[in-house]
Amino acid sequence: AQSVTQLDSQVPVFEEAPVELRCNYSSSVSVYLFWYVQYPNQGLQLLLKYLSGSTLVKGINGFEAEFNKSQTSFHLRKPSVHISDTAEYFCAVSVDSSYKLIFGSGTRLLVRP
Amino acid sequence: DAGVIQSPRHEVTEMGQEVTLRCKPISGHDYLFWYRQTMMRGLELLIYFNNNVPIDDSGMPEDRFSAKMPNASFSTLKIQPSEPRDSAVYFCASSSKQGALVAFFGQGTRLTVV
Repeated sequence: AQSVTQLDSQVPVFEEAPVELRCNYSSSVSVYLFWYVQYPNQGLQLLLKYLSGSTLVKGINGFEAEFNKSQTSFHLRKPSVHISDTAEYFCAVSVDSSYKLIFGSGTRLLVRP
Repeated sequence: DAGVIQSPRHEVTEMGQEVTLRCKPISGHDYLFWYRQTMMRGLELLIYFNNNVPIDDSGMPEDRFSAKMPNASFSTLKIQPSEPRDSAVYFCASSSKQGALVAFFGQGTRLTVV
């Protein structure tokens, strides 16, 4: 069965520093990968997605992620974070063009001044 | 479009009572999902529909939970009878084939069962 592992439950970082949020998935078939962000008391919104093509995917708010098939990873990065990036970030996988998303446990990004 | 609309935003009910959560998906979307979010279990997919037909309900925890989608613009998730362990945030999301698998989420219903 497919699964998603987010290795860090919380990542504290200072404002303007770079950040990487890690995501690994397990699946033996083709996958589609997503990162969603959840601000307090709100629903999830899409940051970026990988369906096919270039393995480096750019999303909103300056975030990007790289699909690495050999390492089954899809880590999220931003070169310089802002206070407003403080939120919970979820990695998700959809298998074989299914519309069913499996989410990781989430990583709380805490940006400090 | 106003996005996915869920109601109510907050619900407090007593154990044993029936609870109904409501969702209006984005117009034109043919997939609808119900998720539950808790601290312990994270985001769990409960059930999803395609063209108003339930496709996968393997995530529905017990027979106390039921979901319906009588038409393309409305879905309900019902818990009867409710229990304190059902306390969670319940999200509805919708997507479409043309939307390349991207799910749009509502703001959720925070359910507290006392």
